Amino acid sequence: EAGVAQSPRYKIIEKRQSVAFWCNPISGHATLYWYQQILGQGPKLLIQFQNNGVVDDSQLPKDRFSAERLKGVDSTLKIQPAKLEDSAVYLCASSLQGRETQYFGPGTRLLVL
Amino acid sequence: KNQVEQSPQSLIILEGKNCTLQCNYTVSPFSNLRWYKQDTGRGPVSLTIMTFSENTKSNGRYTATLDADTKQSSLHITASQLSDSASYICVVSANFNKFYFGSGTKLNVKP
Repeated sequence: EAGVAQSPRYKIIEKRQSVAFWCNPISGHATLYWYQQILGQGPKLLIQFQNNGVVDDSQLPKDRFSAERLKGVDSTLKIQPAKLEDSAVYLCASSLQGRETQYFGPGTRLLVL
Repeated sequence: KNQVEQSPQSLIILEGKNCTLQCNYTVSPFSNLRWYKQDTGRGPVSLTIMTFSENTKSNGRYTATLDADTKQSSLHITASQLSDSASYICVVSANFNKFYFGSGTKLNVKP
């Protein structure tokens, strides 16, 4: 069974630039999560999708972050414009319906200079 | 306030030794508690999941305990190996669909 795929694995940008991350969850998983993990900390939920609907985006900085999951399968997370404090690993995870174990992708490591 | 606190923040042990990681939580209403292992540069991988009625759950050399009364959990690693070097994250679920993550314990196993 293929795991959660994410791309790119690494990205270096300058502040005020834009960046987008892509995630393809495990086939059949209805729930998709985007997390931000700052070095030395646990993951922080940014947004949770159930199919193509948003369940929880209370911690998403909506002035600069946006995410979509138009067809209820893969998803993109965008930052525009990026700030220095956005430097982190962005993890995507999926689960069957939201109550089960989450399966994480390898993450995208973002460095904002 | 729903919180998950882990200790110690970091730990260094010699290969072959045992260690215990702690997780205290104030999450309510409690649904379950998971321990994840996160290798450097990778996403977390689930080790164990425990519900309210379970006191102990093992996965190979990993044994998790849960005391729902005191809201404490521990992860015991037996006969540590170099490959156990990783961060271990405690995640507590509320209402089965809200997840609270600890900051993790970074374990370094030295030869």
